[in-house]
Amino acid sequence: DTGVSQNPRHKITKRGQNVTFRCDPISEHNRLYWYRQTLGQGPEFLTYFQNEAQLEKSRLLSDRFSAERPKGSFSTLEIQRTEQGDSAMYLCASSVLAGYTDTQYFGPGTRLTVL
Amino acid sequence: KQEVTQIPAALSVPEGENLVLNCSFTDSAIYNLQWFRQDPGKGLTSLLLIQSSQREQTSGRLNASLDKSSGRSTLYIAASQPGDSATYLCAVRGSSNTGKLIFGQGTTLQVKP
Repeated sequence: DTGVSQNPRHKITKRGQNVTFRCDPISEHNRLYWYRQTLGQGPEFLTYFQNEAQLEKSRLLSDRFSAERPKGSFSTLEIQRTEQGDSAMYLCASSVLAGYTDTQYFGPGTRLTVL
Repeated sequence: KQEVTQIPAALSVPEGENLVLNCSFTDSAIYNLQWFRQDPGKGLTSLLLIQSSQREQTSGRLNASLDKSSGRSTLYIAASQPGDSATYLCAVRGSSNTGKLIFGQGTTLQVKP
């Protein structure tokens, strides 16, 4: 399967714990995005990488959140000192510029439940 | 600030019916607009992408239109099938320099056999 993969698919944690999610983009896609989706809502943008450079961050990405993309390949999203409000589906997407546009392809998501 | 709204929030139709989903956005300065499908508990599948210079895109039974000046897009589904049951999301991209997509809340479609 050459799609975007995310691990783990589900994570249950206690409030105050740290969690880390991983995203593996489609091979040769140089752009990678993280979104967060709560029940009944559309996804909300968190951050965007082009290669290894983090080019844009949402105000939603508080200082408890950090994302990395070492070597421009896979990416990790870490949440420190989790809160119940962090419970959501975390979606990763990747894209590559083809012509003058790039379509974002999404992974299956990681569902986080904070107890 | 760009805001995207989708109406209706939910829709139920009998199999075979043609239907239209609506998406509106407040800032007409968009780079492109994309329609996605999301099945329960799953990620998003891209259906159609319309560049700001385009008026419509078609894929199979799906046709998406874009009227940038009025801030509207529609997704037309012909001859609906039970397998079309899902949540449909539209998203706009503000410029070529940002990767950020701004999503609507989605329309949950149920097609009854």
